Amino acid sequence: AQSVTQLDSHVSVSEGTPVLLRCNYSSSYSPSLFWYVQHPNKGLQLLLKYTSAATLVKGINGFEAEFKKSETSFHLTKPSAHMSDAAEYFCVVRAGSGGSYIPTFGRGTSLIVHP
Amino acid sequence: DTGVSQDPRHKITKRGQNVTFRCDPISEHNRLYWYRQTLGQGPEFLTYFQNEAQLEKSRLLSDRFSAERPKGSFSTLEIQRTEQGDSAMYLCASVAGASGGDEQFFGPGTRLTVL
Repeated sequence: AQSVTQLDSHVSVSEGTPVLLRCNYSSSYSPSLFWYVQHPNKGLQLLLKYTSAATLVKGINGFEAEFKKSETSFHLTKPSAHMSDAAEYFCVVRAGSGGSYIPTFGRGTSLIVHP
Repeated sequence: DTGVSQDPRHKITKRGQNVTFRCDPISEHNRLYWYRQTLGQGPEFLTYFQNEAQLEKSRLLSDRFSAERPKGSFSTLEIQRTEQGDSAMYLCASVAGASGGDEQFFGPGTRLTVL
C-alpha cells in the first residue's frame, strides 16, 4: 500500500522569498517520488523525480527536493519565489520494484506568490 | 505541449447519455494511464495499459466506465449512462519505459460536464 500527504493545502509567499511545500509518503516498497506542477488551464508538468539515486534532487525552474527516508518526507523547496511559480503542486509516490506501477497523487498545494 | 493530445477538450452532456474520450499518446510510449481529477483534488487513477493490455483498473471504476487501447496506440475511455457525479477533468498520460521511475507525460485533459 502507498499514500502521500501534502501537509498544506495553500502556501502564500512574497516574491523573492523561499518556498517550502511539504510532502510525506508511505510505501511498502522503495518508492519513486515525483513533484508535478499544474498551471491554470495547462497540463501537468514534471518538476523533478527521485528514483533511489542521489537523495537531493534538482529540477526545473530552480526547484529541488530532498528524499529523507527516516522522516518519510520529500519536501519541495526553492530559494527565491517568482510570480510565475504560482500554480498547483502535486507530490506523487509510486512503488518501486515489486510494487504496482499505479501512482498515488497528493491532494495538491496551491502556491500563491505576492508581489 | 507534451506531445500527448486529448479530444475533445470540453464535453457537455445530459445525464444518461454516453460519452467517449480519446487520448493519443507519444508515439511508441508503451504505457498509458487514465485519471480523473475533480476540483481541489489530485488526479485519481482509473486504469492503465501496457501496450494493448489493460493491466489494472481502479476499484472505484464502476461498470459504466470502459477503456480500450487497440493496437497499443491511441486509447478511448467511454462512460455509459453518465451521472452528474461523473463531472470532472479526465486526464491521460503516457510513459515510455517499464520501470517505476519513468516520467508521465500528461495531455491537456477533457473536461466533462454532466447536466
